[in-house]
Amino acid sequence: GENVEQHPSTLSVQEGDSAVIKCTYSDSASNYFPWYKQELGKRPQLIIDIRSNVGEKKDQRIAVTLNKTAKHFSLHITETQPEDSAVYFCAASKEDYKLSFGAGTTVTVRA
Amino acid sequence: KAGVTQTPRYLIKTRGQQVTLSCSPISGHRSVSWYQQTPGQGLQFLFEYFSETQRNKGNFPGRFSGRQFSNSRSEMNVSTLELGDSALYLCASSLNRQGWQETQYFGPGTRLLVL
Repeated sequence: GENVEQHPSTLSVQEGDSAVIKCTYSDSASNYFPWYKQELGKRPQLIIDIRSNVGEKKDQRIAVTLNKTAKHFSLHITETQPEDSAVYFCAASKEDYKLSFGAGTTVTVRA
Repeated sequence: KAGVTQTPRYLIKTRGQQVTLSCSPISGHRSVSWYQQTPGQGLQFLFEYFSETQRNKGNFPGRFSGRQFSNSRSEMNVSTLELGDSALYLCASSLNRQGWQETQYFGPGTRLLVL
C-alpha cells in the first residue's frame, strides 16, 4: 500500500519566519495530496490540497508544491503567526477513497 | 451546513467489551470514512462506505467493522476490546464520486479508553 513519510517531526520557528514541511509518497498512482492542520483537542481541518495535474497551489500565506517525478510534495507557510502552531499532516490518495497520512509535524511558532 | 458529528464524544470500556460509535456526515455527503488516531501509529484508515457499500478497507483485524445506513449515517463497531484499541476514532465525510477523491471533512472524534 501507499507509504507517506513526513519530515521534520517537530519544527520551531520565530514569528514572521517561514516554515516548510516535506512529504514523500511511494505509490506513483497517487493523485490527490491534502494537508490538514490539527490543533490540540480539535479535529483535523483541511488547509490546502493539490492534485497531480498541478505543480503548485497557493492560498494567502500557504502554498503547496508537488514534484511527481520525485514523488514528493511540500507545505510552505510564510509570515508565520502564533495561531499557526499546530500539528500538520500530509496525506496521499489515489482513486480508492482512502487517505494515507504522514506521521505529522508539530509546528511551534515562537512569539 | 452543519458539520460532521460523532457520538459519543468520550467512552470508557473494559477489555473484552464491545463498542459502537456513530457518525453523521455533512448533509448531501454519501461517503463516510473512519480513521483511528493514536500517538504511536498516527492516523490510520479503517474503512470507507458509500451508499451503504464498503468500498475500501484498511489493515485492521476483523474485530473492527462498520456499516452505513440509507441516510448516510455510519456506525463502526469494535468487538472484544483490547487495551491497544484506546484511540481517537475520527470519521470523515465527502462527496467522493466514483473514481474521484474529494475533500474529506472530519468530525470531532470519539475518544475511546479501554481499561
